[in-house]
Amino acid sequence: GQQLNQSPQSMFIQEGEDVSMNCTSSSIFNTWLWYKQEPGEGPVLLIALYKAGELTSNGRLTAQFGITRKDSFLNISASIPSDVGIYFCAGRGTQGGSEKLVFGKGTKLTVNP
Amino acid sequence: DAGVIQSPRHEVTEMGQEVTLRCKPISGHNSLFWYRQTMMRGLELLIYFNNNVPIDDSGMPEDRFSAKMPNASFSTLKIQPSEPRDSAVYFCASSLGWDRLAKNIQYFGAGTRLSVL
Repeated sequence: GQQLNQSPQSMFIQEGEDVSMNCTSSSIFNTWLWYKQEPGEGPVLLIALYKAGELTSNGRLTAQFGITRKDSFLNISASIPSDVGIYFCAGRGTQGGSEKLVFGKGTKLTVNP
Repeated sequence: DAGVIQSPRHEVTEMGQEVTLRCKPISGHNSLFWYRQTMMRGLELLIYFNNNVPIDDSGMPEDRFSAKMPNASFSTLKIQPSEPRDSAVYFCASSLGWDRLAKNIQYFGAGTRLSVL
């Protein structure tokens, strides 16, 4: 089945630093989504990408849909303590009409004040 | 909007017992998804429904797992009999369904943490 490789697995940074994480796949995706999960909660959507090359921002967050359609990255600028959590990428494959998403294993972010 | 509502939030049971997890999707959403999250395997899709009909159940681990959606506002995931390896967090998510406008955004509930002793 389709799999996503998300890296890094974890990051320990100082408040104010920029963060970058990415996802790659061996197969093509039509949609890339980035979610954030905080302890005891479900994932919450941050950014959705629907076209190859698309670059989208949401406040201090920026994500891009790779030109090859096999990768995506998420950047967080000037990190703050409330950025702590696990960030997941998710992709929707090319199977027409299917809503099935494949999730990466997540990047656990720790921000030291 | 109340969001996706799951119950119970925590469930502790003994091996062999039946477990039923419940989900109320966001009103007006046409698709409902059940996921399982573990440290080892991450988030895995178990099954999803569209307009109350199961569309893809290829992720359901085995016959001990079953899911139903009797109407647009309620779904259950049942494990019978439960085993310790079923311990995980189970999430329900809903979406407006796939079309150009809805764009496949899934909204997640807070999850049910299941512990099978």
